[in-house]
Amino acid sequence: SQTIHQWPATLVQPVGSPLSLECTVEGTSNPNLYWYRQAAGRGLQLLFYSVGIGQISSEVPQNLSASRPQDRQFILSSKKLLLSDSGFYLCAWEKHSPEAFFGQGTRLTVV
Amino acid sequence: ELKVEQNPLFLSMQEGKNYTIYCNYSTTSDRLYWYRQDPGKSLESLFVLLSNGAVKQEGRLMASLDTKARLSTLHITAAVHDLSATYFCAVDQSASGTYKYIFGTGTRLKVLA
Repeated sequence: SQTIHQWPATLVQPVGSPLSLECTVEGTSNPNLYWYRQAAGRGLQLLFYSVGIGQISSEVPQNLSASRPQDRQFILSSKKLLLSDSGFYLCAWEKHSPEAFFGQGTRLTVV
Repeated sequence: ELKVEQNPLFLSMQEGKNYTIYCNYSTTSDRLYWYRQDPGKSLESLFVLLSNGAVKQEGRLMASLDTKARLSTLHITAAVHDLSATYFCAVDQSASGTYKYIFGTGTRLKVLA
């Protein structure tokens, strides 16, 4: 069966520090991968998606970037965090079908 | 721009009562998804509705989709405390084999004993 892992679960980082969140999927190959962000008390917004290694599409202009160095690995990064980057980050995957599956999420607090 | 709106945003209801959450979206789509989120947790898939008139039921929850009205409903029957959570609907914008979700604002449900 397929599983998705995200880490870390919780992160507190100072403003201006770098960020790296990692997501990996097991049990499938060539999935479509997504990063969503949920700001406090709000809905989810799609940040990035990837259809293959090295292929990244950005949905909204922002301070973050994404990379897909391996087929089942998706990384969300920032060189310098802003307070507004705080939120709950969710990685998701689907295998060319409508239903997406979400990881457990990373709660990022920028202080 | 595709917009997805849910109402109500907050819902407090007594155990044993029935209620409906509404999800409206602004562009044509044949697919709609319902997710549940417990505080501090990830999203749990509840229903995947893939065509006009689709109706799915699981326990005390039933979801339906009317693509002509661009409306989905999530009906709660005889609510119990365990249903307390935030419920999101989402519509996908499919393109080039991807399914990018546009989420509603969520409905925070609290079931009172």
